Amino acid sequence: ETGVTQTPRHLVMGMTNKKSLKCEQHLGHNAMYWYKQSAKKPLELMFVYSLEERVENNSVPSRFSPECPNSSHLFLHLHTLQPEDSALYLCASSQDGAVPYNEQFFGPGTRLTVL
Amino acid sequence: AQSVAQPEDQVNVAEGNPLTVKCTYSVSGNPYLFWYVQYPNRGLQFLLKYITGDNLVKGSYGFEAEFNKSQTSFHLKKPSALVSDSALYFCAVRDLSNDYKLSFGAGTTVTVRA
Repeated sequence: ETGVTQTPRHLVMGMTNKKSLKCEQHLGHNAMYWYKQSAKKPLELMFVYSLEERVENNSVPSRFSPECPNSSHLFLHLHTLQPEDSALYLCASSQDGAVPYNEQFFGPGTRLTVL
Repeated sequence: AQSVAQPEDQVNVAEGNPLTVKCTYSVSGNPYLFWYVQYPNRGLQFLLKYITGDNLVKGSYGFEAEFNKSQTSFHLKKPSALVSDSALYFCAVRDLSNDYKLSFGAGTTVTVRA
C-alpha cells in the first residue's frame, strides 16, 4: 500500500466547510483515479486523469472538484458537501489508463464524514 | 455497457475448506476481468486478472480464478482457506468500449472461521 498514499485518513467536516483530499503515487504511473465507496454498493468511479488531463467525469456534482498538478499527485477539493457524501474516498493509479488490462493500485482511502 | 454481479453478499467457510467467491459479468466485447481484496480500513489490493489464453488464472496468496466464457463467469477460488483470508472481495470487468472505466461488483464478504 505504500505505493499510493492518501491524506488525511479520516476527515469530519460540516456542510459549509471547504477541505481537500490528497493522493500521491510513487509507482511512476501516468493515470490516476478517484472512487467513492459506500457501504453495500459497488465502487463509483468519479474522475480519471491520464497524463494530467481529465478524461472522465462520471456525472459528479460540482461540489467535488478534482485537481491533478502532475502525474504523481491528485487532489479532491470539497465544498458545501451533503451528509450523503459521507463515504470512503479511494485514490488509485495505473500505467497507461487506456490499456484495459492494466490493473489499478489503490491507496488506503480517506474516511469522510459530513455532519 | 459493462457490468458485474456478485450474487452472494456473504460467504462463510471453515478454515482448511475450499473457498469459492462467485462473479458473473456482462460486456459487449472481450472481457478483461480482475479480482481485488479489501481488508478492514485498507484500500483494495489486486489479486489476479484474466486477459486472454488459459482459462485458469493464478494470483497472489494462493488464489486462482476460472474464466468461463459460455457462462460469463469468473469465480475466485482457493483450495484451502485461512482465517486471514477473511475480507471483502470485489470482482471487476473492463472492455475496450469504455476507455477508462473499470466496473466493480458490490463485493462479497468472506468469513473464514477457525
